[in-house]
Amino acid sequence: GDSVTQMEGPVTLSEEAFLTINCTYTATGYPSLFWYVQYPGEGLQLLLKATKADDKGSNKGFEATYRKETTSFHLEKGSVQVSDSAVYFCALLYSGAGSYQLTFGKGTKLSVIP
Amino acid sequence: NAGVMQNPRHLVRRRGQEARLRCSPMKGHSHVYWYRQLPEEGLKFMVYLQKENIIDESGMPKERFSAEFPKEGPSILRIQQVVRGDSAAYFCASSPEMSGRATDTQYFGPGTRLTVL
Repeated sequence: GDSVTQMEGPVTLSEEAFLTINCTYTATGYPSLFWYVQYPGEGLQLLLKATKADDKGSNKGFEATYRKETTSFHLEKGSVQVSDSAVYFCALLYSGAGSYQLTFGKGTKLSVIP
Repeated sequence: NAGVMQNPRHLVRRRGQEARLRCSPMKGHSHVYWYRQLPEEGLKFMVYLQKENIIDESGMPKERFSAEFPKEGPSILRIQQVVRGDSAAYFCASSPEMSGRATDTQYFGPGTRLTVL
């Protein structure tokens, strides 16, 4: 079945450091790929998405590129801020079979220190 | 435009009681999804509903759990005879429709955190 694997956390970075959170997937067909962010005590917010190979999703300085050849969708940000501290989830959705369920990775907790 | 609303935000039940979780989708959204998040885990799909129809319940436990999305009112996730293992955060999401199908982007509510004593 479909699955998503994220790098284990927690990740601790200093402010203005470069961030990479790795995400790889296994899926039938060509899924859409997503990054969601969850702040403490809150629900998930969509951060960015990409729907086909070589698409780049970007938002708030974060970006990720859909790499079909490596089945990856790594999240990057050039300079993190304390306010980026949260849990980040990579997810996929394959709607070809009429199913609309998101499959999530386990999440990566990011802490940014001043 | 209000987002997805869930209530209650926190719910405490004793073993054997019933838990009812409510979800009002974003205005104009007709597709609703329920997910469960266990501690230190990602979210797991439970069920996908449209108005008055269950479309995909492949992630629902076979017993004690049920969901509905009536013609009027919120979607309800119902857990009967709760056990400690049901303690988790339950998230609802909704999506709009385009060309007769759900879009691929789901918008999440703040969740209901269920604690079973």
